[in-house]
Amino acid sequence: GENVEQHPSTLSVQEGDSAVIKCTYSDSASNYFPWYKQELGKRPQLIIDIRSNVGEKKDQRIAVTLNKTAKHFSLHITETQPEDSAVYFCAASIRNNNNDMRFGAGTRLTVKP
Amino acid sequence: EPEVTQTPSHQVTQMGQEVILRCVPISNHLYFYWYRQILGQKVEFLVSFYNNEISEKSEIFDDQFSVERPDGSNFTLKIRSTKLEDSAMYFCASSRQQSTDTQYFGPGTRLTVL
Repeated sequence: GENVEQHPSTLSVQEGDSAVIKCTYSDSASNYFPWYKQELGKRPQLIIDIRSNVGEKKDQRIAVTLNKTAKHFSLHITETQPEDSAVYFCAASIRNNNNDMRFGAGTRLTVKP
Repeated sequence: EPEVTQTPSHQVTQMGQEVILRCVPISNHLYFYWYRQILGQKVEFLVSFYNNEISEKSEIFDDQFSVERPDGSNFTLKIRSTKLEDSAMYFCASSRQQSTDTQYFGPGTRLTVL
């Protein structure tokens, strides 16, 4: 089955700096890669996703890149704000068989004011 | 905006007891999921459900677990004989279609097994 590795486990940045979180996956058939943000005690919420026919996707301060050859994808947050502080999870699934979505271990992002 | 709902928000039970966790997926969604998150750890896939049957389950989802859609709106997870290590947050999720929209998570049920 799919195995998703995520790094780093914790990340601390100053407000206004950029943050980058990286994930790798093992199953070359995976073709859907969502990113979830989870604030303390709350549900995971989708912030951005990318499909394998796209190399990069951007939504305001958030971008995701995908390298299918290397089987890795990354989340980029620019101009970080204190409210970006949360745990971020990457995930991977085989889109045409979206029954088994595997999550990375999570990255705890702290944005210092 | 419609959301996935779950009840109860917190369930405390004695080891060996049966628990049923309830979820109401978004009404026009066809695919339903259960995930588990042990405190401080990652979200782990348990099971997916479509067309009134399990479509996939993980190695965590053993014979102690079962899922059911007893009516047109509820989706339940039953743990037959709870163990201490079943203590976790359980998230239900739903998606509209398998090949299009993403999965939307409910607020979770915190299960504490004593």
